[in-house]
Amino acid sequence: KNQVEQSPQSLIILEGKNCTLQCNYTVSPFSNLRWYKQDTGRGPVSLTIMTFSENTKSNGRYTATLDADTKQSSLHITASQLSDSASYICVVSGGGADGLTFGKGTHLIIQP
Amino acid sequence: GAGVSQSPSNKVTEKGKDVELRCDPISGHTALYWYRQRLGQGLEFLIYFQGNSAPDKSGLPSDRFSAERTGESVSTLTIQRTQQEDSAVYLCASSYGLAVRTQYFGPGTRLLVL
Repeated sequence: KNQVEQSPQSLIILEGKNCTLQCNYTVSPFSNLRWYKQDTGRGPVSLTIMTFSENTKSNGRYTATLDADTKQSSLHITASQLSDSASYICVVSGGGADGLTFGKGTHLIIQP
Repeated sequence: GAGVSQSPSNKVTEKGKDVELRCDPISGHTALYWYRQRLGQGLEFLIYFQGNSAPDKSGLPSDRFSAERTGESVSTLTIQRTQQEDSAVYLCASSYGLAVRTQYFGPGTRLLVL
């Protein structure tokens, strides 16, 4: 069964600190993996998209890694800001009815 | 250019009524997706349109749900005889081509069934 598991479910950190969010998947065949940021009450916004051959991709203070052998991805946020408070969703392409399998997301709260 | 737009942004309806939700994708995007997101839950796939191909309706939860798309433009998601469990945010996304392309999401329609 195609699954995407994200951890932790929720995370609270102080402003300025770094954090890492995890995504493990069992989707096969694999096409690509995406990280989205979803602010409360808004639609998801794409942060990164990585294909099989890419190990690391950065977008500003966000750095995503992908290990296709172990089927794990991480999203590292550096020097967190209050505006980083959101849900972060990992989406793997290659499974699911629409070709996509969604994780349930990690709810991140940045405290001043 | 303009992103994906959805209307209405909020909808409150009575149980048993029909509702129509609209999605305007980004111009030129051949693929259009509808998702449902219940409070505190992950995204749930509903239906997928790709060009002129028959839509993938495998995610629709019941026959009360239907969707149409006119060519490669506007899509309408219709929920008939709404139930309280239909209360959710309904998100539309569009992309150019298939899975490798990033989906662009609309702001969603918040549906509350009383």
